[in-house]
Amino acid sequence: SQQGEEDPQALSIQEGENATMNCSYKTSINNLQWYRQNSGRGLVHLILIRSNEREKHSGRLRVTLDTSKKSSSLLITASRAADTASYFCATDPSNKLTFGGGTRVLVKP
Amino acid sequence: GAVVSQHPSWVICKSGTSVKIECRSLDFQATTMFWYRQFPKQSLMLMATSNEGSKATYEQGVEKDKFLINHASLTLSTLTVTSAHPEDSSFYICSAIAGGLTDTQYFGPGTRLTVL
Repeated sequence: SQQGEEDPQALSIQEGENATMNCSYKTSINNLQWYRQNSGRGLVHLILIRSNEREKHSGRLRVTLDTSKKSSSLLITASRAADTASYFCATDPSNKLTFGGGTRVLVKP
Repeated sequence: GAVVSQHPSWVICKSGTSVKIECRSLDFQATTMFWYRQFPKQSLMLMATSNEGSKATYEQGVEKDKFLINHASLTLSTLTVTSAHPEDSSFYICSAIAGGLTDTQYFGPGTRLTVL
């Protein structure tokens, strides 16, 4: 299967709640990145976490990385309707980005 | 900074025609550009890696004669879908990096191709 698998595939939450999604990968990495994609649009880079980092914050986003388990999580706190989008993790085996299947997040107002 | 544009944003064409999609880095020089394809509700699949002044490197299963890539300058890469067929209908997205391959990729807004 593809490097970078995400779960859940879809997530529906109320505005104000937190959203957590996970990403697992298979091979060793230099870094792991998270992207957001609004429907029919390009990708927006959210955050990059390097293989020697365990946690990183950016605004309402918190990313963790566990290289021993080959997994990462993205937490969006205090979600807003504007956070509705698909979220993809991407790893870089062989220096080429490989994307996970994505998590579709719906934040209901 | 780090803005990547694509043109056109959408295109509809007849089967058998060729379509050219442009990808430009607006405020930086892109040593490497990437082309991805995304089918509805699916993830991005890398098609090819494009380096300025050299031939593109295609991923396994991607026909280089069908998807022609030209990276003529440090700010422009083009993808030409030749003799397009309905199964080529997809969302095509490019990305660009300024430095090494491990640098952040900046993505264009994508081009929706519909082949009738």
